Amino acid sequence: NAGVMQNPRHLVRRRGQEARLRCSPMKGHSHVYWYRQLPEEGLKFMVYLQKENIIDESGMPKERFSAEFPKEGPSILRIQQVVRGDSAAYFCASSPSGGRDEKLFFGSGTQLSVL
Amino acid sequence: GESVGLHLPTLSVQEGDNSIINCAYSNSASDYFIWYKQESGKGPQFIIDIRSNMDKRQGQRVTVLLNKTVKHLSLQIAATQPGDSAVYFCAENRIGNQFYFGTGTSLTVIP
Repeated sequence: NAGVMQNPRHLVRRRGQEARLRCSPMKGHSHVYWYRQLPEEGLKFMVYLQKENIIDESGMPKERFSAEFPKEGPSILRIQQVVRGDSAAYFCASSPSGGRDEKLFFGSGTQLSVL
Repeated sequence: GESVGLHLPTLSVQEGDNSIINCAYSNSASDYFIWYKQESGKGPQFIIDIRSNMDKRQGQRVTVLLNKTVKHLSLQIAATQPGDSAVYFCAENRIGNQFYFGTGTSLTVIP
């Protein structure tokens, strides 16, 4: 029973390039959450998605960042025109149905480094 | 050993001692809480959870205590082992199913 799968594990981009981070939730889970973690800090909520629907994007920067969770395939977090400040670990989590007392299961993260 | 959250982000304990990690949460409407363990280079791993209608919950070697009056959460680890060395985060579930994470406490177990 595979857990939450994220790829790539490490991603290096130059300033101005695009970064695409992928997340496949646990089998049977239909809700995906993206978090960002800077070194020595906690996880900051970015966006919460259900298949084909963004539920809450209140933590997403207004520009350059977007997320999707299509009917088929993984959830994608897309960062356009990356800057050095985007360097961080990005974690995806999933839950079965988004209920208020459902625990989140996390992937191993994607470490984004912007040169 | 015992931490006091943001003011003491690191905690060192001797192997075999009990550890207490504290967390203050901010939203009185939060009704579900989770403790996560994060080892270096890995994603957060679920340890134990508690709902707001409870004030204590026990797992294997871990106990979570919830004090809603002062909005405080603690994680107690019995007989701490070297494998317990990690960063521990408390997470509160606020409105809209967002989990908000604390800054974390780094636990180091001294053999």
